[in-house]
Amino acid sequence: QLQLQESGPGLVKPSETLSLTCTVSGGSISSSSYYWGWIRQPPGKGLEWIGSIYYSGSTYYNPSLKSRVTISVDTSKNQFSLKLSSVTAADTAVYYCARLHIVVVPAAIHYYMDVWGKGTTVTVSS
Amino acid sequence: SYELTQPPSVSVSPGQTARITCSGDALPKKYAYWYQQKSGQAPVLVIYEDSKRPSGIPERFSGSSSGTMATLTISGAQVEDEADYYCYSTDSSGNHGVFGGGTKLTVL
Repeated sequence: QLQLQESGPGLVKPSETLSLTCTVSGGSISSSSYYWGWIRQPPGKGLEWIGSIYYSGSTYYNPSLKSRVTISVDTSKNQFSLKLSSVTAADTAVYYCARLHIVVVPAAIHYYMDVWGKGTTVTVSS
Repeated sequence: SYELTQPPSVSVSPGQTARITCSGDALPKKYAYWYQQKSGQAPVLVIYEDSKRPSGIPERFSGSSSGTMATLTISGAQVEDEADYYCYSTDSSGNHGVFGGGTKLTVL
């Protein structure tokens, strides 16, 4: 059974870079059927899609975060990572990693999250 | 940027039918997906590709889509269905995911 586990510091100082890693177990991150992604949820608020990555390294980012986000993949470790720079208190959230199932429909290829990690809380504070 | 719009809250009595809507300009061409999130837990997929139900999801959960609106229907809602529900889709490129603002379902 596929499992995803987020890891990284729970506390980050303002203006610094938030770094998280998602470790995939029970399946290969190099599967051609999936992207891998990050989603976050500020306290008491809704879900926000951050971005996605394919095992080849192809990435897509939320336009509102694009200037600060980098997602990378390490197929040898079956891991992918998130870096968010210049963080502020507004970046305080539960961060989830997820597997994104690719749906191939003529003229409408897209993906959706079908397996999620349990999430990790990141607080931005001095 | 692309947006999906949901009502903030829906309330029903146990056994009644709950309907949660999601509107978006790209929905005529893109599938809608629905996630259930209970307090302190990760989201769980309850409907995919507008109307399909993953294994393990009760039959009382169903989905439909027409034009720019997708609908999640819970027929005979149970107290355990109380949760936040989020619709999800992608923009016209299919590369950028988007969530609706979420709907808090109260069953009491």
